[in-house]
Amino acid sequence: QQPVQSPQAVILREGEDAVINCSSSKALYSVHWYRQKHGEAPVFLMILLKGGEQKGHDKISASFNEKKQQSSLYLTASQLSYSGTYFCGTEVSGTYKYIFGTGTRLKVLA
Amino acid sequence: EAGVTQSPTHLIKTRGQQATLRCSPISGHTSVYWYQQALGLGLQFLLWYDEGEERNRGNFPPRFSGRQFPNYSSELNVNALELEDSALYLCASSPVGDTTSTDTQYFGPGTRLTVL
Repeated sequence: QQPVQSPQAVILREGEDAVINCSSSKALYSVHWYRQKHGEAPVFLMILLKGGEQKGHDKISASFNEKKQQSSLYLTASQLSYSGTYFCGTEVSGTYKYIFGTGTRLKVLA
Repeated sequence: EAGVTQSPTHLIKTRGQQATLRCSPISGHTSVYWYQQALGLGLQFLLWYDEGEERNRGNFPPRFSGRQFPNYSSELNVNALELEDSALYLCASSPVGDTTSTDTQYFGPGTRLTVL
């Protein structure tokens, strides 16, 4: 079953913050986050492994709670370039299957 | 460094025909993944090839098949095309396909398949 992302869509003003959640019904080994702009291929943002780690670069960070089978992506002081659809990609523990989340459309307005 | 390349960019077929999509991974990458992205939907995992072998496949019928060549490039074949096969097909590559899954997947630009 596909991980569920929330919210489905969000509109921000430049400089505002956003949180995107990814929730799986299965135990996860890792979570990847991607951003896809309209008409383009997804671009890798970061990967988190089980162990509850948190990562970040620039003003984008993420956390992974393996017990809750959830990951969250944090966007701070959003920029226009952050607009796009964000996907979490998950690897279910014990498999090699990558299952992507339902996606979150993010639009940043000037 | 050249990225993942896919061909053709666009492909138009009619129902019942066969489609062949091609992917060249980044030099040095041995793993190739195929995904289907239907309009308005998320990415769906299709196939994973590593070192010339099919390692895993998603929940797609057998008419979706592929192969990986000795130079690690890959083909995705879709037989007996149906209207709902219309989608963007993305290929991604990663350096090594092992159990750690720490490797980033780098995506190609995709092939837009339209079935009429």
